Amino acid sequence: DAKTTQPNSMESNEEEPVHLPCNHSTISGTDYIHWYRQLPSQGPEYVIHGLTSNVNNRMASLAIAEDRKSSTLILHRATLRDAAVYYCILRGPQGGSEKLVFGKGTKLTVNP
Amino acid sequence: KAGVTQTPRYLIKTRGQQVTLSCSPISGHRSVSWYQQTPGQGLQFLFEYFSETQRNKGNFPGRFSGRQFSNSRSEMNVSTLELGDSALYLCASSSVGGLGNTIYFGEGSWLTVV
Repeated sequence: DAKTTQPNSMESNEEEPVHLPCNHSTISGTDYIHWYRQLPSQGPEYVIHGLTSNVNNRMASLAIAEDRKSSTLILHRATLRDAAVYYCILRGPQGGSEKLVFGKGTKLTVNP
Repeated sequence: KAGVTQTPRYLIKTRGQQVTLSCSPISGHRSVSWYQQTPGQGLQFLFEYFSETQRNKGNFPGRFSGRQFSNSRSEMNVSTLELGDSALYLCASSSVGGLGNTIYFGEGSWLTVV
């Protein structure tokens, strides 16, 4: 399974943008980049995904580097509810398409 | 649309016992996966079922098993419980639409082995 590298923790202030980085230098051409987050005492929830182009949805934006070896999840205005562990995951056909391989993720703290 | 439902939410078992956890996927989803989450090992994939067949398996001992029924509901079983099996067990379901589809998780079953 292709690996991702994320900072262990990040801090932000409420109402400010947050950029969560992820390195995936061994990504293959068929791997999708997915982001999930896990709020305290809950199961992970889907945030966003992309393949090559930048993506936006109501929750966040995903910026993918041109060489696809890194990506950044952008929360445009952090709220207290965004405090969670964020996981950057590569999904590819190898190993099973429905299998998610979680790393340690980035614990985001949002200060009021 | 109801989400992924897991039962029971909390349970306490004694070493050596066995436990069965249940998962009802989102209606229409045919793939069900199970994950174990512990503070030390993080989130780890256990296995995935699709159309009542195990399609993928993680690196766990044979004490961990599962099955899927014709209505896509799934159960996982852990036999001869050990203290290290104390964890949050998460079930996830998806509609299997390719690598860009969304996988939905339940809130999990908290298992404590004493």
